[in-house]
Amino acid sequence: QLQLQESGPGLVKPLETLSLTCTVSGASISSSRYYWGWIRQPPGKGLEWIGSIYYSGSTYYYPSLQSRVTISVDTFKNQFSLRLSSVTGADTAVYYCARGNLATYSWFDPWGQGTLVTVSS
Amino acid sequence: DIQMTQSPSSLSASVGDRVTITCRASESTSIYVNWYQQKPGRAPKLLIYAASTLESGVPSRFSGSASGTDFTLTINSLQPEDFATYYCQQTYSRRLTFGGGTNIEIK
Repeated sequence: QLQLQESGPGLVKPLETLSLTCTVSGASISSSRYYWGWIRQPPGKGLEWIGSIYYSGSTYYYPSLQSRVTISVDTFKNQFSLRLSSVTGADTAVYYCARGNLATYSWFDPWGQGTLVTVSS
Repeated sequence: DIQMTQSPSSLSASVGDRVTITCRASESTSIYVNWYQQKPGRAPKLLIYAASTLESGVPSRFSGSASGTDFTLTINSLQPEDFATYYCQQTYSRRLTFGGGTNIEIK
């Protein structure tokens, strides 16, 4: 059964870089049928898509985060990662990773359980 | 970027009610619209994809429809486990976007 699990520091200092990893188990991250995404949710607020990475290596990012975000894949470890630089309190959120389905239409399923990242000194 | 305007942001309803949530896309998304349910402290769960296709295992009281750039999620005969927050999402553009969410509360 496919599972995704986020991991990384729960506390990051302002202006430092947030780094998270999503470990995929039960399926190969190298499949051309899927893409991989990061989504976040500030406390008490809605979902915000951060970015996605495709089999080809192409990446797409939320415009307002584009200058600070990098998503990459490690096929050997079956993981993909998120780096968000120069963080502020506005980046405090639960961060989810998810698999995107590249059928005729596209959706996120499944999702990881989410990990809370707090930006504070 | 494609904006998804979801309404209402919250509503109160009773068990057995019929509930309708709407998302309006800022431009054409074809039927590349999905709906998710999220309960407190949990990750979102896919309910409907391609505007109207029910994900496997999702109860048939949930349905989705599309008319132009307007997308609707309907819950017939609301059940206690349906009190949650619902989000639409467009995947027509690879720069994905979510609606702002609709929280369904118990009246």
